Amino acid sequence: DQQVKQNSPSLSVQEGRISILNCDYTNSMFDYFLWYKKYPAEGPTFLISISSIKDKNEDGRFTVFLNKSAKHLSLHIVPSQPGDSAVYFCAAPASGGSYIPTFGRGTSLIVHP
Amino acid sequence: GAGVSQSPRYKVAKRGQDVALRCDPISGHVSLFWYQQALGQGPEFLTYFQNEAQLDKSGLPSDRFFAERPEGSVSTLKIQRTQQEDSAVYLCASSIRTSLPYNEQFFGPGTRLTVL
Repeated sequence: DQQVKQNSPSLSVQEGRISILNCDYTNSMFDYFLWYKKYPAEGPTFLISISSIKDKNEDGRFTVFLNKSAKHLSLHIVPSQPGDSAVYFCAAPASGGSYIPTFGRGTSLIVHP
Repeated sequence: GAGVSQSPRYKVAKRGQDVALRCDPISGHVSLFWYQQALGQGPEFLTYFQNEAQLDKSGLPSDRFFAERPEGSVSTLKIQRTQQEDSAVYLCASSIRTSLPYNEQFFGPGTRLTVL
């Protein structure tokens, strides 16, 4: 029973265009969401987060949008760069107030030059 | 300063062997987490330490899995009588905090375990 779902295993985008990575969740108690980025043979690194009291958080080229009614969040990367090619994981705390994130399966982003 | 390190980076074991995976967290980090990442999946929580205390081991899949952090720094994840389904990447993460914000987990590169 996956509580955090990333239904697109891969995404291919041209350099300079927008990348949109999607994530759905089932637990309405989730109040904090994170995106991690992972290169091959490396551990995940934190990218950006959003609290449920907001619907948008922006950090440079990365913006995360949260739609609580739809239980959906998305990560936008504008403009996409070849160095953004990696696996992106969406994560949320396992339960309200928990410190342990539940991860989605990840989406592999490939940005073509 | 150095990040989280893990050793070995790769381990091949025959079914039934015992293995020990080591994690060196960032110095001073109170919290330490172990995750298991199967192929094509996201990391799944195994166990959590706050200093030397193992506060949560609810994610350990069986009693063949054992973790320790005796002095509150280095941690070892031990798997006894390995099975093929144990093949995965084992990730360690550390955090200076014991609570929010969650984003302060720093991950090591992982140990890829292959059980033949």
